[in-house]
Amino acid sequence: EDQVTQSPEALRLQEGESSSLNCSYTVSGLRGLFWYRQDPGKGPEFLFTLYSAGEEKEKERLKATLTKKESFLHITAPKPEDSATYLCAVQAAGGSYIPTFGRGTSLIVHP
Amino acid sequence: DGGITQSPKYLFRKEGQNVTLSCEQNLNHDAMYWYRQDPGQGLRLIYYSQIVNDFQKGDIAEGYSVSREKKESFPLTVTSAQKNPTAFYLCASSPGLGTEAFFGQGTRLTVV
Repeated sequence: EDQVTQSPEALRLQEGESSSLNCSYTVSGLRGLFWYRQDPGKGPEFLFTLYSAGEEKEKERLKATLTKKESFLHITAPKPEDSATYLCAVQAAGGSYIPTFGRGTSLIVHP
Repeated sequence: DGGITQSPKYLFRKEGQNVTLSCEQNLNHDAMYWYRQDPGQGLRLIYYSQIVNDFQKGDIAEGYSVSREKKESFPLTVTSAQKNPTAFYLCASSPGLGTEAFFGQGTRLTVV
C-alpha cells in the first residue's frame, strides 16, 4: 500500500527563521510528487510537481527538492503570510495514477 | 477568469436527507475529483472522473454518488447512507488524470 508521511505535524517559526518540511513516501515506483499550500477554510493551491530524484523547483521563498525516498520543502526567511498547511501528494507509477495525500504540516510564522 | 466553483460554501442537512454539492469548472479539464477532508487527516478520495459519462469509486465512496453528464460539471450527492457526513468537501479538476490539480474553495457540510 502506498504511504505518504509528512513531518512535523505542526511547526512554529519566527519571521526570518528558515526551516524545512519533510514528505517521506513508500510507493512501488514514483511517477510524480506534488506540493500544495492550503489556507484555513479554503481549497489547496498547487505549488510544485517533482518527477525524479535530484530535481529542484523554486518559487519565491519556497524550494522543493526530491530524493528517492522523500521530498523537502525548504522555506527561506519566512514571512507571516507563509503561514498555511502544506500538503504533499505522491503519484505511483502503477494503478489509477491518482495521487495519495499526506496529512500535511501546519506552519505558523510569527512576526 | 478560469477556475473551479463549488456551491454552496456552507450546507446544513438533517439526518436522513440527501444533499447535492455542486462543482463547476471552466478550465476545460478532462479529469475531476471529489475529496473529503476531516480535521487532522489528509484528503481522502471519494470519486473521480476521467471523461464525461465515466466515473470511478475512490477510497471512501460508500454513501456517496456522482454524475458526469457534462465536461464542466461533477456534482456529488451525499446520501442518507453516509454514516458520518459532517466534513469539508473539496472538488478538483486537472488537465489529465493525476496531473496537478486545481481545487475549489470547498463546501462545509454539517448534519444537524
